[in-house]
Amino acid sequence: DAKTTQPTSMDCAEGRAANLPCNHSTISGNEYVYWYRQIHSQGPQYIIHGLKNNETNEMASLIITEDRKSSTLILPHATLRDTAVYYCIVRVRDNYGQNFVFGPGTRLSVLP
Amino acid sequence: DTAVSQTPKYLVTQMGNDKSIKCEQNLGHDTMYWYKQDSKKFLKIMFSYNNKELIINETVPNRFSPKSPDKAHLNLHINSLELGDSAVYFCASSQGNDLHFGNGTRLTVT
Repeated sequence: DAKTTQPTSMDCAEGRAANLPCNHSTISGNEYVYWYRQIHSQGPQYIIHGLKNNETNEMASLIITEDRKSSTLILPHATLRDTAVYYCIVRVRDNYGQNFVFGPGTRLSVLP
Repeated sequence: DTAVSQTPKYLVTQMGNDKSIKCEQNLGHDTMYWYKQDSKKFLKIMFSYNNKELIINETVPNRFSPKSPDKAHLNLHINSLELGDSAVYFCASSQGNDLHFGNGTRLTVT
């Protein structure tokens, strides 16, 4: 699976949009981009995923560049409860999930 | 109505002991997993179990063994516990796509 590169940490003011970048320059055509987050002392939580089109759900938006070599997760109005480690993962969808490989992620701190 | 539940939440034990962590999912998923998160916070997959097929991460010592009595349960047995086994262990399940995690079991070996 393609490796991803994310900034180690980011700050965001409460109420502002949080834009979390992810580079995946070696992504293959059949690999999806997934985002998860881990709030302190909890298990990771699914946020969103996409292949090549931009995606939006009730939690976030995912913007994937046309060449698919990078993506951005957008939390439109960050709250203090969005403080967490955010993981960007690229993988082929299968039934085994062995390729859900978590890197160090980005530690997002939402500041009051 | 927790989707993936693990017990116990905390487990403190001495070196050399044998312990088990239980996991249950009520999502009807076919695949279950165990992940280990060490002190550096890296999440690493240990096992995945799908329809009685076990896939083992080659780095996992054979002191660790998953046991699945049925599709909704995947328990983790650990023999001869070592100090380095101290970590948070997460159970997860999926149906091909999204992973759903439990809230973890913090294991401390003294």
